[in-house]
Amino acid sequence: DAGITQSPRHKVTETGTPVTLRCHQTENHRYMYWYRQDPGHGLRLIHYSYGVKDTDKGEVSDGYSVSRSKTEDFLLTLESATSSQTSVYFCAISDRAGATNEKLFFGSGTQLSVL
Amino acid sequence: KQEVTQIPAALSVPEGENLVLNCSFTDSAIYNLQWFRQDPGKGLTSLLLIQSSQREQTSGRLNASLDKSSGRSTLYIAASQPGDSATYLCAGNNAGNMLTFGGGTRLMVKP
Repeated sequence: DAGITQSPRHKVTETGTPVTLRCHQTENHRYMYWYRQDPGHGLRLIHYSYGVKDTDKGEVSDGYSVSRSKTEDFLLTLESATSSQTSVYFCAISDRAGATNEKLFFGSGTQLSVL
Repeated sequence: KQEVTQIPAALSVPEGENLVLNCSFTDSAIYNLQWFRQDPGKGLTSLLLIQSSQREQTSGRLNASLDKSSGRSTLYIAASQPGDSATYLCAGNNAGNMLTFGGGTRLMVKP
């Protein structure tokens, strides 16, 4: 398995509180992604990073921010959590982007519940 | 905008049966089409990746095909086993590994 660690694995929080999820990789891959998985919607891209301090928005970025100060860490922050952000969050990494044979490797996910 | 659909949403088969999972996509300008497996409570494991210039890929009992002109991909599983029970997801890659996922097919293989 690719060296990807997500923390925490489970979190319960209250509406309006800030939450930060962490993705840590040991593969030295340049590209990192945050997805959320919801019943009826599948996996959807939140934000991604193409290098240290280089990030961009995905399909469902509203209410989320990200930071990448080191190659190995990609943080996802919910500034003020809402119940609609209850979901399973997955981090993914890849070595390249735009290459037709490049695969994504996923972490084990973080189950977040916002009450 | 790419849309990916998987039918059926759930499938139950007896052990030993050959089966086909379907994936359709709306935008044929894809870099590749990837198939993933997801076990309950776990992340996604990449099974097969078919590049835009390829027609199929094989790994063990798995064979995936890609027909860009019709916007379809299939995952063929030969001689299914109970250990194959999982959710199978396909995803189209149109740019920079920003994948568009289908909703998945939940497969149950009964002993």
